[in-house]
Amino acid sequence: DAGVIQSPRHEVTEMGQEVTLRCKPISGHDYLFWYRQTMMRGLELLIYFNNNVPIDDSGMPEDRFSAKMPNASFSTLKIQPSEPRDSAVYFCASRQGLSYNEQFFGPGTRLTVL
Amino acid sequence: GDSVTQMEGPVTLSEEAFLTINCTYTATGYPSLFWYVQYPGEGLQLLLKATKADDKGSNKGFEATYRKETTSFHLEKGSVQVSDSAVYFCALSLTGANSKLTFGKGITLSVRP
Repeated sequence: DAGVIQSPRHEVTEMGQEVTLRCKPISGHDYLFWYRQTMMRGLELLIYFNNNVPIDDSGMPEDRFSAKMPNASFSTLKIQPSEPRDSAVYFCASRQGLSYNEQFFGPGTRLTVL
Repeated sequence: GDSVTQMEGPVTLSEEAFLTINCTYTATGYPSLFWYVQYPGEGLQLLLKATKADDKGSNKGFEATYRKETTSFHLEKGSVQVSDSAVYFCALSLTGANSKLTFGKGITLSVRP
């Protein structure tokens, strides 16, 4: 298996622009997680899905952030409009079944908002 | 709420030194415990885990024992290598269908040749 795939790997944009990050989970995994990592705040869980349904979005910073999972093999995280404080590495992860199973992380998308 | 506390870092060691990274947790239920590692420029990957009290997880020379009486899951390695330089995260997950991982803040380990 190719693992969790994220695109793009790097994104540089200007403040106010819309940014869309993409994730393809491992086939057969029924949970998908979006995280954000910064030096200041560490690793933060933004939202996660089970069988394409959002379960907990309490970590989403504000209304500028939205996430969708239209099918089992694809998810997006959108920021509109983007701000410099959104600069971070965004990780997608997936898991199969129960909570004690391994969570597999993608390589991340490094977002820079100028 | 549930939380994980890791010792403050960063940690710098010489090659072949003994490593201990402390981790304690607070949980409302009966958690599974994990150590994840993040190498430079990569995503996190599972290093080891333990799902019940007194279980010992081990991988790549690293070990951690689930201590319910002290609510701890300290990571140890007898002889570190330069290639072990990474960020180490302790995490817990409660039993349940829609449970998520709760991570500690992570600690950076640097190993000098």
